Amino acid sequence: DVVLTQSPPSLSVTPGQPASITCTSSQSLVYSDGNIYFNWYQERPGQSPRRLIYKVSERDSGVPDRFSASGSGTDFTLKISRVEAEDVGLYYCMQGSHWPPAFGQGTRVEIK
Amino acid sequence: QVQLVESGGGVVRPGTSLRLSCEASGFAFSDYAMNWVRRTPGKSPEWLALISPDGSTQHYAESLQGRVTVSRDNSRNFLYLQLTNVRPDDTALYHCTRAGHLYWGRGTQVTVSS
Repeated sequence: DVVLTQSPPSLSVTPGQPASITCTSSQSLVYSDGNIYFNWYQERPGQSPRRLIYKVSERDSGVPDRFSASGSGTDFTLKISRVEAEDVGLYYCMQGSHWPPAFGQGTRVEIK
Repeated sequence: QVQLVESGGGVVRPGTSLRLSCEASGFAFSDYAMNWVRRTPGKSPEWLALISPDGSTQHYAESLQGRVTVSRDNSRNFLYLQLTNVRPDDTALYHCTRAGHLYWGRGTQVTVSS
């Protein structure tokens, strides 16, 4: 099974400063059709996970453009250009290229 | 708009069975594969099962093999999850998600306790 390793486990960020989360896969996530089925999720306290990014770098509708993502093969990054108070929560990476789908362990983002 | 509403959770005794439901609305339910995912505080979400749009194909997490069955009723827009011989570590918030995991229900809490 694919193992996704996220780092750091937690981040404390001053509002207005950038933040970056990485996710490393135990194997390449390139699917047989050439796509990489890799998502990023935000989980706010008391809410269901919200998908932010799909297929490595595509932003979902309504996601602020301060969120961006990149990656290829086994290494992926989510960046928040200027952290805001509403960005507090848990962030997960997830792969759907290989069975079974798997999530990373999560990164907790806090505001200083 | 897409809505997924789970139900059927509660407190259940170890060794018993549970059946969770997910009512879908706002989209052509029979066109989409559906998933069950569960969340436990302090752990990453765990994918449990997927069922194809017509219900003919199912995939399960290896950790649940033999105890889990996913099914659907496309005439009523319902998705189901049956879990047998439940254990304390099945305690979690259970969500249904649409293929691609963009849409999630709010979840139904299952607590396994004697």
